[in-house]
Amino acid sequence: DTAVSQTPKYLVTQMGNDKSIKCEQNLGHDTMYWYKQDSKKFLKIMFSYNNKELIINETVPNRFSPKSPDKAHLNLHINSLELGDSAVYFCASSQGAQSEQYFGPGTRLTVT
Amino acid sequence: SQQGEEDPQALSIQEGENATMNCSYKTSINNLQWYRQNSGRGLVHLILIRSNEREKHSGRLRVTLDTSKKSSSLLITASRAADTASYFCATDAGGYNKLIFGAGTRLAVHP
Repeated sequence: DTAVSQTPKYLVTQMGNDKSIKCEQNLGHDTMYWYKQDSKKFLKIMFSYNNKELIINETVPNRFSPKSPDKAHLNLHINSLELGDSAVYFCASSQGAQSEQYFGPGTRLTVT
Repeated sequence: SQQGEEDPQALSIQEGENATMNCSYKTSINNLQWYRQNSGRGLVHLILIRSNEREKHSGRLRVTLDTSKKSSSLLITASRAADTASYFCATDAGGYNKLIFGAGTRLAVHP
């Protein structure tokens, strides 16, 4: 039983395309996150939703748009993909304040 | 910018030895967390230490926090080959559980 799952695991696409990554958690958590990990392993938060409400929105290009249809799901849609978007994107979830986060397995996005 | 900086960037030891990783950060925090990432996998939470705590243990892991020096250390005792991974510290500086991650320490434990 996977706690935080992401699909797809790998995504290879061309510049200019639009793609989506889906995330689901079955932990009953109220907060979900998207992180980007670059080739040097730096991990940076992009967005966070608490009970379907956007609460963290870091300096991310407008081409990235998160959507949370319910507490258990957080999707990431990326428009007009660029080479620099190539990275591993991680979804995570947590419950309450000052708590540990549970990470998904990651989606490796390669833009050619 | 990164909040935390881990030291060393890479560490190579033999099985059975202890491994110590350090993390320094810049601002006041609510808590500091350590995560492990195996190659090609997601991050796994190890320990959370709150700002009013000085030391925490979990199995072979020992974490210390010195808020006056804005630093933390992670000690893995009696290391095993399975401990080979990257270890990240992350600080929660307040507000919405927003974690700022350091650059990580790559640990290699040789049999």
